[in-house]
Amino acid sequence: DIQMTQSPSSVSASVGDRVTITCRASQAISTWLVWYQQKPGKAPKFLIYGASSLQSGVPSRFSGSGSGTDFTLTISSLQPEDFATYYCQQASSFPWTFGQGTKLEIK
Amino acid sequence: QVQLQESGPGLVKPSETLSLTCTVSGDSISSFYWSWIRQPAGKGLEWIGRLFNSATADYNPSLKGRVTMSVDMSKNQLSLNLTSVTAADTAVYYCARATSGWVHDYWGQGTLVTVSS
Repeated sequence: DIQMTQSPSSVSASVGDRVTITCRASQAISTWLVWYQQKPGKAPKFLIYGASSLQSGVPSRFSGSGSGTDFTLTISSLQPEDFATYYCQQASSFPWTFGQGTKLEIK
Repeated sequence: QVQLQESGPGLVKPSETLSLTCTVSGDSISSFYWSWIRQPAGKGLEWIGRLFNSATADYNPSLKGRVTMSVDMSKNQLSLNLTSVTAADTAVYYCARATSGWVHDYWGQGTLVTVSS
């Protein structure tokens, strides 16, 4: 299985800050990567696919980059509604696997 | 607007079979891949498997052949069966649409299944 490792596991930041979350794959996955946001008690919400393509309706302050094994999710200016847990998911080979999550907390 | 709703028993005894249904509205179940994904309390997400038209299924090998997924086109529903459950199968179970087979763009609200005697 391809292991997805996110860093950091948690991060504290303030409204207006720029935050970057990293996702590293244990082997090359091209751009077969999806980012999700999950709030407590809710289902994950799809943000970005293909490593960098923003889902329709997702604010432009979210962006993704990377290919191969190293990927990043950047939030350019944090808003109160962005405090949540973020997961990456690879779809290069079965079984699809997720990162362990990065919890973004208010400082 | 695509909506998914999971349903099924919230409590299953060890060694028995967990059976869940996901009812899809706003879309034809025959047109897409559909996944089941689970999340133990306070933990990350685990992909269980995906299905297309009951003809193509891909399962997570970690479940060691205990999982079966199916669709009922007449009811626009997909089902999940997980046999020989243990406490390790306690989780919130989600169904999700997998656009292009791999992008989970619509999710149900999730249903908590507890395995306990």
